[in-house]
Amino acid sequence: GNSVTQMEGPVTLSEEAFLTINCTYTATGYPSLFWYVQYPGEGLQLLLKATKADDKGSNKGFEATYRKETTSFHLEKGSVQVSDSAVYFCALIITSGTYKYIFGTGTRLKVLA
Amino acid sequence: NAGVTQTPKFQVLKTGQSMTLQCAQDMNHNSMYWYRQDPGMGLRLIYYSASEGTTDKGEVPNGYNVSRLNKREFSLRLESAAPSQTSVYFCASSEFSGGAADTQYFGPGTRLTVL
Repeated sequence: GNSVTQMEGPVTLSEEAFLTINCTYTATGYPSLFWYVQYPGEGLQLLLKATKADDKGSNKGFEATYRKETTSFHLEKGSVQVSDSAVYFCALIITSGTYKYIFGTGTRLKVLA
Repeated sequence: NAGVTQTPKFQVLKTGQSMTLQCAQDMNHNSMYWYRQDPGMGLRLIYYSASEGTTDKGEVPNGYNVSRLNKREFSLRLESAAPSQTSVYFCASSEFSGGAADTQYFGPGTRLTVL
């Protein structure tokens, strides 16, 4: 079936450290891939997306590349800030057949000053 | 432009009580969704409405009902609350459920506790 797998958290980093949050997926067809971020006490908001293989999504210094050969969409940032502390969700959308939007379980990031 | 709004923010119910969670969006979106968020489970879709006048079951619809009142509003009803329904509930909307790059916009959530 269709699914999204994220690395377990929490991930704790010092400010200015390099961030990677792994995400792999299983899907029929050619899904679009997303990263959403949830700040404390808020709903999710879109961080970036990619709709086809080799596309790179980017926003606010975060990047992720759609890798069809490894079915992955890892989130990276070169230098994290305390304000990046949040929960990050990988997600995919299936558009063939029944519409489905599938979220991963989320990875909590804590950045220390 | 408020985006997606939800009421109430917090609610405590006793087992067997009923309640309705309200959701409204002002982005003229066609599609609306209800999710629940539980620790370690991510977000799970309860019901969605692809367009005004239609509703469909998601992954975990049991114990819930929905009403798409008009294009703006989509409510979620718990007829007889159970402790297993303790969760954070999110409403979301998108322009069109079916597009390859369909972005969902989320409300701030309702934290529900059932005793």
